[in-house]
Amino acid sequence: DSGVTQTPKHLITATGQRVTLRCSPRSGDLSVYWYQQSLDQGLQFLIQYYNGEERAKGNILERFSAQQFPDLHSELNLSSLELGDSALYFCASSVAANPDEQYFGPGTRLTVT
Amino acid sequence: DQQVKQNSPSLSVQEGRISILNCDYTNSMFDYFLWYKKYPAEGPTFLISISSIKDKNEDGRFTVFLNKSAKHLSLHIVPSQPGDSAVYFCAASPGAQKLVFGQGTRLTINP
Repeated sequence: DSGVTQTPKHLITATGQRVTLRCSPRSGDLSVYWYQQSLDQGLQFLIQYYNGEERAKGNILERFSAQQFPDLHSELNLSSLELGDSALYFCASSVAANPDEQYFGPGTRLTVT
Repeated sequence: DQQVKQNSPSLSVQEGRISILNCDYTNSMFDYFLWYKKYPAEGPTFLISISSIKDKNEDGRFTVFLNKSAKHLSLHIVPSQPGDSAVYFCAASPGAQKLVFGQGTRLTINP
């Protein structure tokens, strides 16, 4: 158990809909990262927050947005969903702003039908 | 543009032998490299890392080698155990910025 929790575990929704994925980092970790893993693909970095502020951005679509709250939990919002958004979404956390040695949650599997 | 490549999608090794997983990168700005291990239905877990100022780092049965001139790193597992069967991801970081992951190699250890 990495100490990073993600909810929900599974999500099935229809095209055009909007969903919110939630992540609670390990106790004491200030950075939260979001990744997308599509079928047979590596992990694609989406976005990083450090202590409530956006720190780095990767290949995140404009339809996706994230935020980190004062209690350090984070939410990833996916809107106008398309079939291609079906993937595993992982959240990770680390103590500092550096992305080294991140601890990953178990992931949320999103299926868009 | 795949900056971190793991060209072998899968690898099968006999228990007790050495497993060697390979990773190539293209971005010369990468200065920190990591290996993660992933079991089904779980998130990746950190295994071992190496800074670009080193060419080898060892932790128990796991050793990572870095060849900067070839832009190549490898993970050696000796001896391989059944519990090592998992997907292994190589990742690289350019100056304490985001991690760039490879596509993963599925390692199967046969008894």
